[in-house]
Amino acid sequence: RKEVEQDPGPFNVPEGATVAFNCTYSNSASQSFFWYRQDCRKEPKLLMSVYSSGNEDGRFTAQLNRASQYISLLIRDSKLSDSATYLCVVTNAGNNRKLIWGLGTSLAVNP
Amino acid sequence: DAGVIQSPRHEVTEMGQEVTLRCKPISGHNSLFWYRQTMMRGLELLIYFNNNVPIDDSGMPEDRFSAKMPNASFSTLKIQPSEPRDSAVYFCASSLVGTHEQYFGPGTRLTVT
Repeated sequence: RKEVEQDPGPFNVPEGATVAFNCTYSNSASQSFFWYRQDCRKEPKLLMSVYSSGNEDGRFTAQLNRASQYISLLIRDSKLSDSATYLCVVTNAGNNRKLIWGLGTSLAVNP
Repeated sequence: DAGVIQSPRHEVTEMGQEVTLRCKPISGHNSLFWYRQTMMRGLELLIYFNNNVPIDDSGMPEDRFSAKMPNASFSTLKIQPSEPRDSAVYFCASSLVGTHEQYFGPGTRLTVT
């Protein structure tokens, strides 16, 4: 089983739609969680950290469920510019400096 | 402010040749990470340095790969000899020790024929 698993998609949604991605991680001792965004043929960039209580940044909401070991990302009122691959990232339980990366979920927002 | 700088951006080489990838981290960052990204395996951490010292190289695939960080502003990843299966995008990232946000360079797209 992969350490971090994501549905690869692609998710094709119209502008203005709400879309949600889930991610599961295998090691219950992992402590920190993130969503990164990667545009086609570009480098990954941090989108947001994920806190235990859930957190929101504009149209983006991230939630963590430690009991079920999954993380979610909700995008409301999606824009064309949201089209990208969204990478779920978890810190390595034995070494908090190492990040373990999911393969990503591809999102295409259509006009 | 300059971000992480990588060179070359693209490299095409023949099997058996030596390849050297270069990275300049963001000034003031004291952690540096080398990753490899492929469609099948995603982003894989190869090695990381704290304060120029290699901390974990368990992700380096084999002895053909080596990395150095002679000073705080420069690192290299060398593959010798290169093989077709090394074809991938190689990213360098930097961060501040104690933080998790990593800033990535634009990557080097390596093709070994």
